[in-house]
Amino acid sequence: DTLLTQSPTLAVSPGERVSISCRASEGVSSYMHWYQQKPGQRPKFLIYEVSNLASGVSARFSGSGSGTDFTLTIDPVGADDTATYFCQQSWNDPRTFGGGTKLELK
Amino acid sequence: QVNLQQSGAALVKPGASVKMSCKTSGYPFTGYWVSWVKQSLGESLEWIGEIYPNSGTPNFNEKFKGKATLTVDKSTSTAYMELSRLTSEDSAIYYCSRRNSRGPGFAFWGQGTLVTVSS
Repeated sequence: DTLLTQSPTLAVSPGERVSISCRASEGVSSYMHWYQQKPGQRPKFLIYEVSNLASGVSARFSGSGSGTDFTLTIDPVGADDTATYFCQQSWNDPRTFGGGTKLELK
Repeated sequence: QVNLQQSGAALVKPGASVKMSCKTSGYPFTGYWVSWVKQSLGESLEWIGEIYPNSGTPNFNEKFKGKATLTVDKSTSTAYMELSRLTSEDSAIYYCSRRNSRGPGFAFWGQGTLVTVSS
């Protein structure tokens, strides 16, 4: 299976720019997607195919990357962005998710 | 608007089976794959499999073959997942989700069904 590796936690100050990384164990073409999950809630779809913003998602979110290295950027970070962020690939079977990066505000 | 409404929490004994539902609305049920995703407590997400309601054709993560059975009822726009031979490892929240209409990715999610396996 394709392993997606994310840093477990990140801490940033409100108003700053934050980049959340996701590294794949093998190439996933452009089939990398991102989700936000707050405690006790279902995941929310943020970005698909590396850089396409899902419907209704704030333009403060953006995605980039290619091959095996991908990044979700939030700029600027707000208090409401405290959550866990998951990357997910759908190029290789089975679809897999990263372990999640918990974003905390200082 | 698109909505996926899942059945309530279940407490089941080891070795038993559980069947959960995902009632959809707000879109043509037969036109979109429905996926199921597992989230163990405090853990990440695992894709279990998907089913295409129009044909009933399922695709599975190899890890969940023999564990999960996916079905649909087109008359009620509802997808079902049954988990068999339950162990403590199956205790988790299970989500149904629908694919993004503009490309890949899971755009819409149910609220989740908590399954607790305990004697």
